[in-house]
Amino acid sequence: KAGVTQTPRYLIKTRGQQVTLSCSPISGHRSVSWYQQTPGQGLQFLFEYFSETQRNKGNFPGRFSGRQFSNSRSEMNVSTLELGDSALYLCASSYRLARDTQYFGPGTRLTVL
Amino acid sequence: GIQVEQSPPDLILQEGANSTLRCNFSDSVNNLQWFHQNPWGQLINLFYIPSGTKQNGRLSATTVATERYSLLYISSSQTTDSGVYFCAVLTGGGNKLTFGTGTQLKVEL
Repeated sequence: KAGVTQTPRYLIKTRGQQVTLSCSPISGHRSVSWYQQTPGQGLQFLFEYFSETQRNKGNFPGRFSGRQFSNSRSEMNVSTLELGDSALYLCASSYRLARDTQYFGPGTRLTVL
Repeated sequence: GIQVEQSPPDLILQEGANSTLRCNFSDSVNNLQWFHQNPWGQLINLFYIPSGTKQNGRLSATTVATERYSLLYISSSQTTDSGVYFCAVLTGGGNKLTFGTGTQLKVEL
């Protein structure tokens, strides 16, 4: 099976712009979660989706949003970008919730200038 | 929320040496995974190990859930083992993983 894919892999934006990142889970997986990784804060949970429903949300401002489509692909959007949003954004997929192994994609590295 | 601590934060080994990485967590968990983050940032899943012991080649892991810790053993280390090792735990009914701060491993020739 193909692994988790994320597009784009690299992105450069300027402050105030918005960005949309995409994640395609492993075929058959219905759960997608998103994480932000920065040198200062480490890996932090953003949100998770299962069968098109957001199940949990981390402690991030409302500028961060996401959605999941019927084919389980997910997108996350960040509006009004700030310098501090520069990070590696990782998505993970699993078959079910809670007790299945989660598999991560290669990440999208976002730089905000 | 649950706290996850990893030790040591940094480790330098000579090729061929063995090492033990530790992960302590502050509450009971449903799931624990070990990951290796490669230099390009991808998290590679090593073990899904909420309890017990598993082995995969030169790597093995043990989780003692009742005492709230997990250990990752690396034997006969190679330069390709370099990178950051994370443990991550899951509590509750969803898929939110809480990550430790990681162990940065460097294996030298």
